[in-house]
Amino acid sequence: DGGITQSPKYLFRKEGQNVTLSCEQNLNHDAMYWYRQDPGQGLRLIYYSQIVNDFQKGDIAEGYSVSREKKESFPLTVTSAQKNPTAFYLCASGGGTGPWEQFFGPGTRLTVL
Amino acid sequence: LAKTTQPISMDSYEGQEVNITCSHNNIATNDYITWYQQFPSQGPRFIIQGYKTKVTNEVASLFIPADRKSSTLSLPRVSLSDTAVYYCLVGKNSGGSNYKLTFGKGTLLTVNP
Repeated sequence: DGGITQSPKYLFRKEGQNVTLSCEQNLNHDAMYWYRQDPGQGLRLIYYSQIVNDFQKGDIAEGYSVSREKKESFPLTVTSAQKNPTAFYLCASGGGTGPWEQFFGPGTRLTVL
Repeated sequence: LAKTTQPISMDSYEGQEVNITCSHNNIATNDYITWYQQFPSQGPRFIIQGYKTKVTNEVASLFIPADRKSSTLSLPRVSLSDTAVYYCLVGKNSGGSNYKLTFGKGTLLTVNP
């Protein structure tokens, strides 16, 4: 089945530790995205990548880093520099001529203790 | 991206038709209108997209008046499983560097038995 997988579903970390969230897609999409969602809020774009080995900062990139070494994979690292890392993280991919039809993964809920 | 305004919440009953209106007064000539649905603790799902007049698919209809300053998402005969947050987004549907999506807080639709 084609789709996007994110792992793990729940993640707990101690303050000050870096943590990497996984995102894999087998939809053959060029574009991939990372969003953050806080309770009762909409989604905010962290990073996006339109092609392998290239990515751009979104609206809230500070404290995060990404890589895009393979078309299928777009991991997100939440660094210790991110002041409020506890949130719901969503990965998406898109294959059209623009960003409008994106396919989202199930999300990872990160809690920093 | 054009700013959108939606009601924060709406209530409905099973079997009713629900219309959610979104205003986007500063929509640009080549902007498209897109709607997403999000269930709790899941990623958003693309519902429908349109440019003008009416678009219909198996899930919903989208009505866009001639001036395009607003749009209405219509859900026919809703059921309890339609309880979700609905997001209205406006922007260009073309390639290039503008690959950002901006999600507002959306409209929480609650369907009651």
